[in-house]
Amino acid sequence: SQQGEEDPQALSIQEGENATMNCSYKTSINNLQWYRQNSGRGLVHLILIRSNEREKHSGRLRVTLDTSKKSSSLLITASRAADTASYFCATDVSGSTLGRLYFGRGTQLTVWP
Amino acid sequence: DTGVSQDPRHKITKRGQNVTFRCDPISEHNRLYWYRQTLGQGPEFLTYFQNEAQLEKSRLLSDRFSAERPKGSFSTLEIQRTEQGDSAMYLCASSSGYLGTGGRQETQYFGPGTRLLVL
Repeated sequence: SQQGEEDPQALSIQEGENATMNCSYKTSINNLQWYRQNSGRGLVHLILIRSNEREKHSGRLRVTLDTSKKSSSLLITASRAADTASYFCATDVSGSTLGRLYFGRGTQLTVWP
Repeated sequence: DTGVSQDPRHKITKRGQNVTFRCDPISEHNRLYWYRQTLGQGPEFLTYFQNEAQLEKSRLLSDRFSAERPKGSFSTLEIQRTEQGDSAMYLCASSSGYLGTGGRQETQYFGPGTRLLVL
């Protein structure tokens, strides 16, 4: 079953604008990860945030985590056409020793030049 | 290229045929995962190996599916008597199982996937 849900399902913006995607999940986690997937391709790891972290940055990416609300957000600043892709959050659930990831359905981001 | 590789990238088969996919993880990664992704959905876990041991199988993995990881290196996923519902992208990922001071910080690195179409 999919424990994470991204919101919105689709997002369309102009180049240069910021894009914000949200993720909600259901159970306690070890960490939460964001991945990008270009159409028909594999997943590219973007960033991992641990359960004891609240915010993390990587280049134009900013991720926040609120474990009390069981939610995370991914902000892409100054977006580019090349950022067009599907973005997935994935959770590593607490109590699991195996590290399997639970993915949401993703947010389809389209950045228009 | 030192990333995860999968072969073939595309496979078209007729219903009832058997197919086998291969995954080569990042060298020295002891953990290997298989996921399946259907159109418009996120990846769903199928099975997990730590070295050569298959430690978990999802209920999605019916008896027609079998996976192996001999010698703890590459892995194969075989689907017997394929059905149209098996059409999907099959993704492989590997990780080193890193445990940091803040708990598990394992990053899974995904391959490009094998897209299966069952006619």
